[in-house]
Order: sequence, then C-alpha cells, then structure tokens
Amino acid sequence: EAGVTQSPTHLIKTRGQQATLRCSPISGHTSVYWYQQALGLGLQFLLWYDEGEERNRGNFPPRFSGRQFPNYSSELNVNALELEDSALYLCASSIVSGGGTEAFFGQGTRLTVV
Amino acid sequence: SQKIEQNSEALNIQEGKTATLTCNYTNYSPAYLQWYRQDPGRGPVFLLLIRENEKEKRKERLKVTFDTTLKQSLFHITASQPADSATYLCALPFGSSNTGKLIFGQGTTLQVKP
Repeated sequence: EAGVTQSPTHLIKTRGQQATLRCSPISGHTSVYWYQQALGLGLQFLLWYDEGEERNRGNFPPRFSGRQFPNYSSELNVNALELEDSALYLCASSIVSGGGTEAFFGQGTRLTVV
Repeated sequence: SQKIEQNSEALNIQEGKTATLTCNYTNYSPAYLQWYRQDPGRGPVFLLLIRENEKEKRKERLKVTFDTTLKQSLFHITASQPADSATYLCALPFGSSNTGKLIFGQGTTLQVKP
C-alpha cells in the first residue's frame, strides 16, 4: 500500500513568488494535515482538511492557504513568499477524522525561498 | 498556554543499553499522547499512541508510560542499536482530541554508539 506522497521533493522560489505543494493521502484516508518544520524548530500545525473542507487552521497568516480535492488529495499554497517561509512542509493523513489515531506523514517538500 | 517540553540536549548511549526519553507537558489534560521518530530530512514516523486511561504500552523493544498526575510521558528503547539513532518527538492533541491539530515537542536526538 502506498504511503503519503508529496511533490515536489524540493522547491526553490524567489521572495514574493507563490509556491504550490501537493499531497496524496493514503488510500481510504479522508483527513489531510499540513505542518511546517523550520530549521531547528518543531513541527507547527498549518491546516486540516477533511471531506473537502478546511476544518482547522494554525497561527499562520492568510497567505498560507490550501484546498482538498474530491479524491482527498490536497494542495498547499503559499503566496507572497518570505525568506522565513523556508522550511520542510509535511503532509499527513489519518484514517480517523481529526485525530485520535496515528498520523502518517509524507517525506515532505523542502521549500527554499531566496 | 499549552506547552510540551522534551530534553533538548542530545542523548548519547552505548549500544545494548536502555534509552529513556522524557516528555513533559503543562496546562493540559490530553486524551492521548503519541511518539514519533524522525530521521534527518524525512517525515516523522508513528511509533506508539497511549491513551489517558493507559499507564503503559509496549511494542517490541519500545515502552511508553503516561503519568497524567505528573503530566509526563517516558519513552524507553531497550537493547538499543545504532539504527535507533534519530530524533524522537512526542505529540499531543490540541484542545479536545478531535481538532486535527497535534502539538509536537522539539524532539530529543538519540545517538546510539556501537
């Protein structure tokens, strides 16, 4: 069974540009979570999508947004990129909506803003 | 505010010994607690979940305890191996258990020397 897949693996963008990151959850999982892990920092919750709807959001500015498609894959968009947005962006999925069970993480997308 | 603390200093132990990692939390009564392993540049991998009504949980060489009075979880790896070298993260659900949001500790890096 395929795990959570993310693309691209690496992404280099210029300050002010937009970045789009993609995630495919494990088959059968309807919940997708996005986390940011900046260098030397812990994982910070960004967004939770379930059944196509945004269910919860972390303390990030509105330029961080996303969506979930009918096949439960998800996209994270970061507009007006800033240097401090450089981080590993992790997507996770779970079989239980919202938590209470383990989250399966992808390998992440390393975003570098120059 | 809710806070999770893990020993930020790296833990260095000899192969074959038992590694013990600590996770303390404040201002919080989580319904469960999770432990993850993260290798450099990779996404976290789920290890164990322990619920508030469970004192201890085991999986192969891993053992987790959960003391809701002390607000502490201990994570043990017995008969440690160099392959166990990684960063170990504890995570708790934010607020109620169904918000989709996990709060992660900063992680403790374990180095097992042959």
